[in-house]
Amino acid sequence: QLQLQESGPGLVKPSETLSLTCTVSGGSLNSGSYYWVWSRQPPGKGLEWIGSINYSETTYYTASLKSRVTLSIDTSKNQFFLNLRSVTAADTAVYYCARLSVGSWGNFFDTWGQGELVTVSS
Amino acid sequence: EIVLTQSPGTLSLSPGERATLSCRASQSFSDNYLAWYQQKPGQAPRLLIYGASTRATGVPDRFSGSGSGTDFTLTISRLELEDFAVYYCQRYGYFGQGTKLEIK
Repeated sequence: QLQLQESGPGLVKPSETLSLTCTVSGGSLNSGSYYWVWSRQPPGKGLEWIGSINYSETTYYTASLKSRVTLSIDTSKNQFFLNLRSVTAADTAVYYCARLSVGSWGNFFDTWGQGELVTVSS
Repeated sequence: EIVLTQSPGTLSLSPGERATLSCRASQSFSDNYLAWYQQKPGQAPRLLIYGASTRATGVPDRFSGSGSGTDFTLTISRLELEDFAVYYCQRYGYFGQGTKLEIK
C-alpha cells in the first residue's frame, strides 16, 4: 500500500527557506503515470497546489509561487523535496505531499501524506 | 486560469438526508476531468470521485458524481455521521474553496 510521509522543520524564520522532504513507501517514484506534488493549506482555509514533479524531473509550479519554489526528486531514495525561499507569515500552513495520477481519467490526487504544519515566525 | 466556485459554502443537514454539492467552473471543458475530495478536521483530503463520476477505491456507493461542461455535482444519497466534513472539487492545479457539510 502506497504511503507518503512529510518531514522537515516545523518552524522557519521569516526570509529563510522552508525545506520539506516527502518519503514514499510501498511504491516507486519511477512511473510515467504519476507526478509527485506538494500542496498546502493555511489554517482554517482551503487547499492550494504548489507544484508537481515527475521521475524525469519535469516540473510545474503554480504561478503565484513560481519565483520562490523549487521541487526536486531522488528516485534512488524514493524521496522528493520542496524548497520555498524568502518565506513570510503568509506561508504558514499545513504542507501535504501527494501522488498525482495523470491519464485518461484526468489529473487527480489519489494518495496523500498526513501533512506537516510549518509555522513561519521569528 | 480556472476558477472553481463551490456552493453552498455551508450545508446543514441531518443524518439520512440527501446532500447535493455544486462545483461551477469559470470555463467549460469537454473532458470531464474533475475530482472531489473529502476532508475531516486534522486529516488529509481523501479522494472520492475522479473523472467527474468514477468512485475511487473503497468509496461507498452513496457517493456519486455527475455533471459536464461547467456544472458538476457531488451527491450523497443518505448521509451518515461520518460524512459530515468539508468537500473540495479540483481540476488540474485548481481547487474550489470548499463546502462544509455540517450536522443540523
